[in-house]
Amino acid sequence: AQSVTQLGSHVSVSEGALVLLRCNYSSSVPPYLFWYVQYPNQGLQLLLKYTSAATLVKGINGFEAEFKKSETSFHLTKPSAHMSDAAEYFCAVSDPPGGFKTIFGAGTRLFVKA
Amino acid sequence: KAGVTQTPRYLIKTRGQQVTLSCSPISGHRSVSWYQQTPGQGLQFLFEYFSETQRNKGNFPGRFSGRQFSNSRSEMNVSTLELGDSALYLCASSFRGRDPTDTQYFGPGTRLTVL
Repeated sequence: AQSVTQLGSHVSVSEGALVLLRCNYSSSVPPYLFWYVQYPNQGLQLLLKYTSAATLVKGINGFEAEFKKSETSFHLTKPSAHMSDAAEYFCAVSDPPGGFKTIFGAGTRLFVKA
Repeated sequence: KAGVTQTPRYLIKTRGQQVTLSCSPISGHRSVSWYQQTPGQGLQFLFEYFSETQRNKGNFPGRFSGRQFSNSRSEMNVSTLELGDSALYLCASSFRGRDPTDTQYFGPGTRLTVL
C-alpha cells in the first residue's frame, strides 16, 4: 500500500519567513500526490496536486511543491509566511498509484509568529 | 455553488448505540468519500461511493457501513458504537468518474462523541 511520511508534527516560522513542510512518499511508480490544508473546525481544502504533468506544481495562496523522484519527496514551500497560513497541512497519496483511495500523512501544524 | 453539506454537525451518543451521518455532495458530483479523523490515528479512509456503488473500502470493521442514493447523497452508519469511534467524520465529493485526481471538496465534518 502507498504511504506518505510528513517530517515534523509542528513547524514554527516567523511572519515573512520561508515555509517548508516536508513529505516523503513510498511508491515504486510515480504516484499522484496532494497537499491539503485544514483550518480549525473546518474540512480540508486542496492546495495543489501532482499528476506527473510537471515536477514543480503551483497551488493556491502562494504555495508550491516540487516532485523529486530521486528523493521520493514532495515538499511544500511558500516564500513568505503570513499569519493566515497558520493551519494544519496534510500530504496525501493515491492508493494504488492511479487509484481512488486517498491516504493521508499524519499532518504538520504550522505556527506563524508575528 | 453550494458546497458539501454534512448533517448533523455535532452528535453525542452512548456506547452500544448506532448512528447515521449524512453527506450532500456538490451538485453534479457522483463520487463521495468518507474519512475518519482522530488525534491518535489521523485521517483514515473509510470508503468511497460512485454512482451508488462502493468502489473502494478502507480497513475498518463491518460496524462501519455506508450507502449512496441516486441523487448522490450519501450516508454512513456506525453500529454498536465504541468509545474509540469518537472522531470527526469528513466526507468529500468530486466528479472522479475515471480521473482519480479530480479535486475532492470536503465538508465541514460531523463531530461524533461517544460516551
